[in-house]
Amino acid sequence: NAGVTQTPKFQVLKTGQSMTLQCAQDMNHNSMYWYRQDPGMGLRLIYYSASEGTTDKGEVPNGYNVSRLNKREFSLRLESAAPSQTSVYFCASTGQGAHGYTFGSGTRLTVV
Amino acid sequence: GQQLNQSPQSMFIQEGEDVSMNCTSSSIFNTWLWYKQEPGEGPVLLIALYKAGELTSNGRLTAQFGITRKDSFLNISASIPSDVGIYFCAGQGGNQFYFGTGTSLTVIP
Repeated sequence: NAGVTQTPKFQVLKTGQSMTLQCAQDMNHNSMYWYRQDPGMGLRLIYYSASEGTTDKGEVPNGYNVSRLNKREFSLRLESAAPSQTSVYFCASTGQGAHGYTFGSGTRLTVV
Repeated sequence: GQQLNQSPQSMFIQEGEDVSMNCTSSSIFNTWLWYKQEPGEGPVLLIALYKAGELTSNGRLTAQFGITRKDSFLNISASIPSDVGIYFCAGQGGNQFYFGTGTSLTVIP
């Protein structure tokens, strides 16, 4: 099925460890986004890529980096994980003719 | 970022009842979206609204784009247990969508 695929689905990290969350979409969308979801705070934008080759900070970028590897893939990296980064992370994409965003199923990250 | 106020924060209703929730913003939006998120999944688009005053239905769901372009409403008629989830509004400003904090809906059989 066409859509947004995120890996891994679950991850536990120790404080200070690094990891990369992967996201790929097969809908030929130009724009891709990374959100984090915390209880009572809705979805907050971390970084986005309006088109291949560009990335921009969102509302909560500190502690994260991103790479738009190609049109399909947009990865999110935590260089030194902190407990405050415990959250559920969602990747989304959109493009011309699309109605809003299509979301992946999320990565549940726990930093201990 | 843009602030979207979504209310109520949570609802507990009996199966068969109708549900209403709304979203307000201090900014004007050109597009309003309503999403539903089920446990362990990402949000899924329910309804998209593109014009002020627009009223759009999707089965038992009806959403409206407010005349002022600063608010939107979602109604669910004759609720059923599978309506359980978190409902998010989203408004488009520039090239981004901004999300409300969600309304958690519990349907009691």
